[in-house]
Amino acid sequence: KAGVTQTPRYLIKTRGQQVTLSCSPISGHRSVSWYQQTPGQGLQFLFEYFSETQRNKGNFPGRFSGRQFSNSRSEMNVSTLELGDSALYLCASSLRGDNEKLFFGSGTQLSVL
Amino acid sequence: GESVGLHLPTLSVQEGDNSIINCAYSNSASDYFIWYKQESGKGPQFIIDIRSNMDKRQGQRVTVLLNKTVKHLSLQIAATQPGDSAVYFCAEYSVGNEKLTFGTGTRLTIIP
Repeated sequence: KAGVTQTPRYLIKTRGQQVTLSCSPISGHRSVSWYQQTPGQGLQFLFEYFSETQRNKGNFPGRFSGRQFSNSRSEMNVSTLELGDSALYLCASSLRGDNEKLFFGSGTQLSVL
Repeated sequence: GESVGLHLPTLSVQEGDNSIINCAYSNSASDYFIWYKQESGKGPQFIIDIRSNMDKRQGQRVTVLLNKTVKHLSLQIAATQPGDSAVYFCAEYSVGNEKLTFGTGTRLTIIP
């Protein structure tokens, strides 16, 4: 069974642009969570979707948004990029939303110049 | 607010020795405490979890200990191998909250 797939693997953007990251969960998994990882702040929760509904949201500005499709695939969008948005964005899935055991993808490394 | 902290940012252990990674937490209402391993270039990988009503849980070469009195969590890795070199994160989870709160991580290096 394929793992969590994130695309693209690397991304370079400039300030003010917007970006969309994609995540395909493990087949059959219905919950998708997004995390931001930086050296200074560690792993920070962005949001979680279950059956196309956002169930929980972290403390990030409204520039960060996401959605989940009927096939459980998810996207996250960051608008008006700032230098501080440079980070590894990780997507994780779980079967039934029991999110203590998450399966992570390898992430999208976003660099904002 | 919630926070999960780590005592040591780095740890070096001789191959074959046992290692202990420690973690302090502040949310006594958490239902699960979990350890994740992150190797370079990869996302975190689930290692083992423990429910808040347990004190100890063992897996293959790993043991997690939970001391609720002092809000302390530890991960013991027996007979370390080079493949154990990674960053280890503790995390906590509350049912109904649907998110993991991660600690800052400990980098474990296995010396051949």
